[in-house]
Amino acid sequence: GEDVEQSLFLSVREGDSSVINCTYTDSSSTYLYWYKQEPGAGLQLLTYIFSNMDMKQDQRLTVLLNKKDKHLSLRIADTQTGDSAIYFCAPGPCSNDYKLSFGAGTTVTVRA
Amino acid sequence: KAGVTQTPRYLIKTRGQQVTLSCSPISGHRSVSWYQQTPGQGLQFLFEYFSETQRNKGNFPGRFSGRQFSNSRSEMNVSTLELGDSALYLCASSLALSGTDYGYTFGSGTRLTVV
Repeated sequence: GEDVEQSLFLSVREGDSSVINCTYTDSSSTYLYWYKQEPGAGLQLLTYIFSNMDMKQDQRLTVLLNKKDKHLSLRIADTQTGDSAIYFCAPGPCSNDYKLSFGAGTTVTVRA
Repeated sequence: KAGVTQTPRYLIKTRGQQVTLSCSPISGHRSVSWYQQTPGQGLQFLFEYFSETQRNKGNFPGRFSGRQFSNSRSEMNVSTLELGDSALYLCASSLALSGTDYGYTFGSGTRLTVV
């Protein structure tokens, strides 16, 4: 199975950029996803990157992928209070392993 | 278009009882996965169904089982409940087994409390 690691906490000032980092072990994922979970809710797909891309930008979100180092990051520009949530890195299914593997999640707290 | 619907949203059961949770995927999605989320263990994969067949199973005891119907709706069952089964159970649906650019769409979950 895939091992996914993320830092557990991130505190950021409103208006600043947030960067959430993730490392993983299996390089065969075709898609790599970022999910957001707000209190009491399920997981919401934020964005994804295809494995043959290095970067993807989607409004305030920028995903960077370094396949060689198996490193994925999510940058949130102009972080708002509504961005306070848990963010999960989830490399997509690899080889014959039909499941998403999740990191422990990074709790982002946005302070005024 | 309707999202993934999980019922019930909340459930309280007693140790030793059994429970059945339901998940209706997005129309057209044939893959349904189940995950258990707890503060200590995070998100743990339970199983995935595609076209009524279990394609993958996580490391959970046999008390955890599931099935998928011809309309792609899925149920999971937990028998002989233990206190440690208290968790948020999340269902996710996808167009394909291996994921697509649409990813996996999650439901809001069923919060199970075992007392």
